[in-house]
Amino acid sequence: AQSVTQLDSQVPVFEEAPVELRCNYSSSVSVYLFWYVQYPNQGLQLLLKYLSGSTLVESINGFEAEFNKSQTSFHLRKPSVHISDTAEYFCAVLGTGGFKTIFGAGTRLFVKA
Amino acid sequence: DVKVTQSSRYLVKRTGEKVFLECVQDMDHENMFWYRQDPGLGLRLIYFSYDVKMKEKGDIPEGYSVSREKKERFSLILESASTNQTSMYLCASSNQGGETQYFGPGTRLLVL
Repeated sequence: AQSVTQLDSQVPVFEEAPVELRCNYSSSVSVYLFWYVQYPNQGLQLLLKYLSGSTLVESINGFEAEFNKSQTSFHLRKPSVHISDTAEYFCAVLGTGGFKTIFGAGTRLFVKA
Repeated sequence: DVKVTQSSRYLVKRTGEKVFLECVQDMDHENMFWYRQDPGLGLRLIYFSYDVKMKEKGDIPEGYSVSREKKERFSLILESASTNQTSMYLCASSNQGGETQYFGPGTRLLVL
């Protein structure tokens, strides 16, 4: 079985500042890791994912996350945030070969002008 | 682009009513999922289906049932709605062996 812990429920930050959203997971098997984003009044959409290979993965809008197996973490970072990044971000884990993706409780990122 | 649509964005029902939530995907995906989303709890899996007429219970199936008669359609049924089923309901799909889930816009259900 897998579990996911998002360490911050809310993260307020000023525009153009860097941000890190923290995610830790536990699993007895190999995993795939994901970050999904939910903009207001919308469903979730995939931001980025780690399946294998390079432990640093990037999204098209400047976010990146690094898979750290020893720390069982998959923190999400962006060097300079925009107002439009205001959303809720969900970290998720899927055991390889499994069906059930386990989602964290979410982190609400609020970018202030 | 994958498109997952849900029949209603907002729904208001009374306690005891039977409620149907419909989800349709247009990418021939084998797997379909129903989640409920509540503040501070993230997404919790209610049911999923990996093929037509196949269904598996998720983490919180009590009070819900599902139907998958066609590959593209996955319905969630609340047999007798209760106030503690007031929530946001999200449908998702993925292809066989696919890791990425594609979500619909959600249905916000209020049970009075």
